[in-house]
Amino acid sequence: DGGITQSPKYLFRKEGQNVTLSCEQNLNHDAMYWYRQDPGQGLRLIYYSQIVNDFQKGDIAEGYSVSREKKESFPLTVTSAQKNPTAFYLCASSIGQGGTDTQYFGPGTRLTVL
Amino acid sequence: GNSVTQMEGPVTLSEEAFLTINCTYTATGYPSLFWYVQYPGEGLQLLLKATKADDKGSNKGFEATYRKETTSFHLEKGSVQVSDSAVYFCAPTAGKSTFGDGTTLTVKP
Repeated sequence: DGGITQSPKYLFRKEGQNVTLSCEQNLNHDAMYWYRQDPGQGLRLIYYSQIVNDFQKGDIAEGYSVSREKKESFPLTVTSAQKNPTAFYLCASSIGQGGTDTQYFGPGTRLTVL
Repeated sequence: GNSVTQMEGPVTLSEEAFLTINCTYTATGYPSLFWYVQYPGEGLQLLLKATKADDKGSNKGFEATYRKETTSFHLEKGSVQVSDSAVYFCAPTAGKSTFGDGTTLTVKP
């Protein structure tokens, strides 16, 4: 079955530590995205990538970093510079970044900073 | 930039009631319009979409019509079920997607 996997489902981190969230897709999609979701709020775009070895900042990129070395993978690192990292993180992909393209979402990773 | 205003929740309905969730947007150009649904503890999944004015998207009994003149894409369902309980997101998309804050729907038996 094709889809997007995110791991782990739950992640705990101590303050001051960096942590990397995994996102893998086998849909052969070019575009991938990272969103942050806080309770009662919509999704906010952190980073997106339209093609391998290229990515752009979204609306709330500060304190986060990404890489896109392979088409299938788009890991997100939450650095210690992110002031309020506790949130639900969603990864998505789409065939391209055209306006008609549906985004397919992973199940999410819930990060808690202790 | 793009923005979207979605009906505030939470919305609580009895089974078989009629559902409307309002969504209005501002966007440059002509966006495609999406409704996504999120079940508890999961990621979002596409519910329906419309790519041009007057198009109607439909799926699982839900419908929404792309109204360019009123910049709206209201979600409707004639008879909701308990299994429709979820959070619904309106997302106009012109290159990047802009997501509304989500409307939580609870359907009681």
